[in-house]
Amino acid sequence: DAGVIQSPRHEVTEMGQEVTLRCKPISGHNSLFWYRQTMMRGLELLIYFNNNVPIDDSGMPEDRFSAKMPNASFSTLKIQPSEPRDSAVYFCASRTESSYEQYFGPGTRLTVT
Amino acid sequence: GEDVEQSLFLSVREGDSSVINCTYTDSSSTYLYWYKQEPGAGLQLLTYIFSNMDMKQDQRLTVLLNKKDKHLSLRIADTQTGDSAIYFCAEILTGSARQLTFGSGTQLTVLP
Repeated sequence: DAGVIQSPRHEVTEMGQEVTLRCKPISGHNSLFWYRQTMMRGLELLIYFNNNVPIDDSGMPEDRFSAKMPNASFSTLKIQPSEPRDSAVYFCASRTESSYEQYFGPGTRLTVT
Repeated sequence: GEDVEQSLFLSVREGDSSVINCTYTDSSSTYLYWYKQEPGAGLQLLTYIFSNMDMKQDQRLTVLLNKKDKHLSLRIADTQTGDSAIYFCAEILTGSARQLTFGSGTQLTVLP
């Protein structure tokens, strides 16, 4: 099994640009999670999906952030416009709905200058 | 305050046992987890324990849960340099739709 796949692994962009992060969950997993990790705030849950439907987006910082899951094997997290304070590592994770084991991708390190 | 608390740093000598501690505040925790994060990598699920258990052992890893004190620990026997990483404790609360709440992580450094 390839595990959770994220792309790109690194992204450097200028303030004001649009950023799109991508995630492919483990095949057969129907719950998907987006997290953000920073030194100051640790790991924060941004949003999670169940069967492609957003269930809880209360962790999304503001309207500049949006997430979609058009099908069971793909999700995006978009930041528009990006700001330097969005610099962080963004993780995607997945699990089956009935499981308690959540698996993480390798993360995307985002730097906004 | 934080729901899950960990000390920030731990150093041990190679070959010794490491004990990483975690306290949580919510007695309705159902599952408690340990994840490992190596530099530049994602979080690797090491082990987890259901709240009706006191102990779980998996090769070099032993998890101890004290529900009365809301204390969770991870013991790594015969610690190796490859065990150097950040270790995160996490919990799932009853009725939280199985969302994980993480501690701040403990940086384990294994000295030769």
